[in-house]
Amino acid sequence: KQEVTQIPAALSVPEGENLVLNCSFTDSAIYNLQWFRQDPGKGLTSLLLIQSSQREQTSGRLNASLDKSSGRSTLYIAASQPGDSATYLCAVNRKDSSYKLIFGSGTRLLVRP
Amino acid sequence: NAGVTQTPKFQVLKTGQSMTLQCAQDMNHEYMSWYRQDPGMGLRLIHYSVGAGITDQGEVPNGYNVSRSTTEDFPLRLLSAAPSQTSVYFCASSTVLGETQYFGPGTRLLVL
Repeated sequence: KQEVTQIPAALSVPEGENLVLNCSFTDSAIYNLQWFRQDPGKGLTSLLLIQSSQREQTSGRLNASLDKSSGRSTLYIAASQPGDSATYLCAVNRKDSSYKLIFGSGTRLLVRP
Repeated sequence: NAGVTQTPKFQVLKTGQSMTLQCAQDMNHEYMSWYRQDPGMGLRLIHYSVGAGITDQGEVPNGYNVSRSTTEDFPLRLLSAAPSQTSVYFCASSTVLGETQYFGPGTRLLVL
């Protein structure tokens, strides 16, 4: 059974710091992995999607990497800003026809001014 | 485009009542799904649909029904609400498997 874990559950950093959020999954047979952002009381916004054949994806100050063999992904945020404060969730898409996303519990990030 | 819309935003039900959570998308996406989000448990898939007339169960389907009569709409029905169904419900859509999923703003449901 695929399980997705995100550590730490919460993180507080000063503005300007570079930071890394971690995501691990137990079954390497994935179709892709997605990182989402969720603001309090809001829905999820997709940040980056990495296909299983890719090693990383970049969007602005965000860089996500994928290591299928070790079952790990990281989300790197450069030069963090208070506006980056949110919960970040990773989710894996199973490598079958079931279209099922398996989510981690998220990392709650606070960037202090 | 409005994207994925959900109604209502908030609902209070008494145990045993039934209701329908509405979800619509205007992006002509084939795939739609319903998740529930509970503290400490992340999002869990309830039901999903790969096209009009086709639905299937997710991880936690008990107590919920769905139908997909059109590409745009994917309502979620609670047949007899229970306090364990208190949660935040999200609808999502995407073009096909492997593409980015777009989420609605959610419906907060409280069952007393």
